[in-house]
Amino acid sequence: RKEVEQDPGPFNVPEGATVAFNCTYSNSASQSFFWYRQDCRKEPKLLMSVYSSGNEDGRFTAQLNRASQYISLLIRDSKLSDSATYLCVVAGTALIFGKGTTLSVSS
Amino acid sequence: GAGVSQSPSNKVTEKGKDVELRCDPISGHTALYWYRQSLGQGLEFLIYFQGNSAPDKSGLPSDRFSAERTGGSVSTLTIQRTQQEDSAVYLCASSLGGPEGELFFGEGSRLTVL
Repeated sequence: RKEVEQDPGPFNVPEGATVAFNCTYSNSASQSFFWYRQDCRKEPKLLMSVYSSGNEDGRFTAQLNRASQYISLLIRDSKLSDSATYLCVVAGTALIFGKGTTLSVSS
Repeated sequence: GAGVSQSPSNKVTEKGKDVELRCDPISGHTALYWYRQSLGQGLEFLIYFQGNSAPDKSGLPSDRFSAERTGGSVSTLTIQRTQQEDSAVYLCASSLGGPEGELFFGEGSRLTVL
């Protein structure tokens, strides 16, 4: 089993849609979790951390289920500017990235 | 500048040559990471430094790859006897603390091995 697994997509949605991405991780000792965003041909940037109680940042909601070793990201009211690749990141001894899920939002 | 700086931004080399990639992290950041990203692929972890020591070298793909960090700042990634499969973008990132900190990435060094 890979350390961090994500559905690669692509997810093609219209503006205003709600879309959810999932991620599973294999290291049960992992303590910190993040979602990063990577635009085409650009470096990744932190979107949000993921906390055990779940957390929200505007239109973005992140959830963590430690028992199932599962992380999710929900994007509400999608905008064209949300089009990017979303990377699930899990911290063990180092930060391990999933391969990313590609989102394309169209008008 | 205030960000992570990497050089060269582009490097084209012939198979069998050695290459050296440099990363200058954000001042004061103790953690430094190297990743590589092949076209259309995810980030592959290579090595992580905390200060000058490397707690995790597990991602280095072969003994042709090595990295060092001196003075708790600049890091170099060296690839000996390059192969075509080494072609990728090599990304460096730094953070204030350990793995729980936000990573700030450089723009990467694009390596092409002919």
